Amino acid sequence: AQSVTQLDSQVPVFEEAPVELRCNYSSSVSVYLFWYVQYPNQGLQLLLKYLSGSTLVESINGFEAEFNKSQTSFHLRKPSVHISDTAEYFCAVSPITGGGNKLTFGTGTQLKVEL
Amino acid sequence: EAQVTQNPRYLITVTGKKLTVTCSQNMNHEYMSWYRQDPGLGLRQIYYSMNVEVTDKGDVPEGYKVSRKEKRNFPLILESPSPNQTSLYFCASKPRGTDTQYFGPGTRLTVL
Repeated sequence: AQSVTQLDSQVPVFEEAPVELRCNYSSSVSVYLFWYVQYPNQGLQLLLKYLSGSTLVESINGFEAEFNKSQTSFHLRKPSVHISDTAEYFCAVSPITGGGNKLTFGTGTQLKVEL
Repeated sequence: EAQVTQNPRYLITVTGKKLTVTCSQNMNHEYMSWYRQDPGLGLRQIYYSMNVEVTDKGDVPEGYKVSRKEKRNFPLILESPSPNQTSLYFCASKPRGTDTQYFGPGTRLTVL
């Protein structure tokens, strides 16, 4: 079984400041790692994912996440946030052997960007 | 446009009145799944389907039914809704052998 912990339920930050959203996971098998974003009143969209290879993955809108196997973490970072980044962010894992069929989500982190 | 659609988007009903939330995808995906999202709990999987006529329970299947008679549709059925099923529901799909699920816009259900 897998579990995902997002320690921060809410993260307020000023525009243009850096931000880190934390994600730790527990699993007895190797997993894929994902960050999904949910903008207000919308469904979830994939932000970025780690499958294999380079442990640093990037999204098209400036977010990045680094897979740390020893610390079982997949923290999400952005060096300078924008108002439009205000959303809820979910970390998720999926067993590699399951081919992405079984997604286990964290409880989400609400990022609120203020002027 | 490739998408997952859900209907209705909003629904208020009363305890015990059977309802169905539809989910449809136009991407010819084999895999489909239903999740519920509750504050402080994130998303939890209700049921999933690997292909037509193949369904299985997720983490919180109690009180729900599903069917997969056609590849594009995966309805969620609440035979006798109760207030603890008040939630935001998401349908998702993905092609077999890939890792990324595509989510619908959500259905907000309130059971009085």
